[in-house]
Amino acid sequence: AQTVTQSQPEMSVQEAETVTLSCTYDTSESDYYLFWYKQPPSRQMILVIRQEAYKQQNATENRFSVNFQKAAKSFSLKISDSQLGDAAMYFCAYSLYNFNKFYFGSGTKLNVKP
Amino acid sequence: EPEVTQTPSHQVTQMGQEVILRCVPISNHLYFYWYRQILGQKVEFLVSFYNNEISEKSEIFDDQFSVERPDGSNFTLKIRSTKLEDSAMYFCASSEVPLAGGSYNEQFFGPGTRLTVL
Repeated sequence: AQTVTQSQPEMSVQEAETVTLSCTYDTSESDYYLFWYKQPPSRQMILVIRQEAYKQQNATENRFSVNFQKAAKSFSLKISDSQLGDAAMYFCAYSLYNFNKFYFGSGTKLNVKP
Repeated sequence: EPEVTQTPSHQVTQMGQEVILRCVPISNHLYFYWYRQILGQKVEFLVSFYNNEISEKSEIFDDQFSVERPDGSNFTLKIRSTKLEDSAMYFCASSEVPLAGGSYNEQFFGPGTRLTVL
């Protein structure tokens, strides 16, 4: 069975600093996608970054990057130069290639201190 | 920018009552999803829907639940006889049809409906 685990319910970071959110997952599949979604308070979940499992190169989107360790089934999100607008709930998610079903972690609440 | 909308934002109902949660997906999207999140727990997949039929459903999605695309724009989730444990945030999402070969089409989420069952 596929599961996604986020072990950090809440984290804090100082503005302009770097923070890393952890995610581990369990699957017996070799082809899949991994995602990080951001949910600001009272707002929609939006996609931050995605990683195809067959790609060895870690995905990067501006200040957001991932550390994808396929053998370890680990998928952490690094936010560089944290901004106040980064404060949100962050969800790690997994999907098989058919996208019929997504599995989410329980989320990490990120606080950004000015 | 197009977005997924959901109504109502908060629904309060008595146990045993039927509720219908409504979603308007992005207009050119053809793949629809419902998820729920019980307070403090994971976001859980409920059902995916394509071409007017359920593509996949989770074990949570039992006979009490049904989905419908009644008019070509709305996508609804009905709970026939609500239980206390149905209290949760319900998220709708939509995407373009997933492409062959594993190419990805992003899921766009709505803001959610908070369902409270008393």
